Amino acid sequence: QVQLQESGPGLVRPSQTLSLTCTVSGGSINSGRFYWSWLRQPAGKGLEWIGRVFSDGSTVYSPTLKSRVTISVGSSQNQFSLKLTSVTAADTAVYYCARGWGDGSVSSGSAPLYWGQGTLVTVSS
Amino acid sequence: AIQMTQSPSSLSASVGDRVTITCRASQDVRSDFGWYQQKPGKAPKLLIYGPSTLQSGVPSRFSGSGSGTDFTLTISSLQPEDFAIYYCLQDYTYPLTFGGGTKVEIK
Repeated sequence: QVQLQESGPGLVRPSQTLSLTCTVSGGSINSGRFYWSWLRQPAGKGLEWIGRVFSDGSTVYSPTLKSRVTISVGSSQNQFSLKLTSVTAADTAVYYCARGWGDGSVSSGSAPLYWGQGTLVTVSS
Repeated sequence: AIQMTQSPSSLSASVGDRVTITCRASQDVRSDFGWYQQKPGKAPKLLIYGPSTLQSGVPSRFSGSGSGTDFTLTISSLQPEDFAIYYCLQDYTYPLTFGGGTKVEIK
């Protein structure tokens, strides 16, 4: 069973960079053809997809955040990270990492199947 | 980006009721579509994908239908544990986009 866990600072100052790490257990990021995503949810609001990294290291980002976002796979191969620059209060949200559906070989897709528990990041001075 | 419009945004229902939630995509997403359930303080859970394939462990009272632009989630007999917010999602094209959510509350 794949498990994901987000970690990182819970408080980030405005204009600084938000950095989060997702640690994956029960599998490694580059084994199988899977999509690994970051998503977020402001308090009381809906879900927003931020971007994803594929098992080959390729990335796709949401156009609304593209200029500020970097998603990458860590050197340990069981971690991937999110960096969001120049944050404002509008970036305050619960951030989730997730893995897409599929068997990892014949068929797979981006729709998240396995999720981390989420981590609240507050942007405030 | 493809817009996903859910209706209703909220509903009140009683245990045992049949509940239907709809989601309309602003353009064809074929069958690259799913339904999620989210309870307070928890991550969303994928219920149905494809858009009618029940995920492992999801009760059979949940069902999904549709393709192209119009999709439906049906709960045949609402149970106490089904009170939650439901979201639709398209992953036909990037960026992935969610509907605004439907909050199912106890009448």
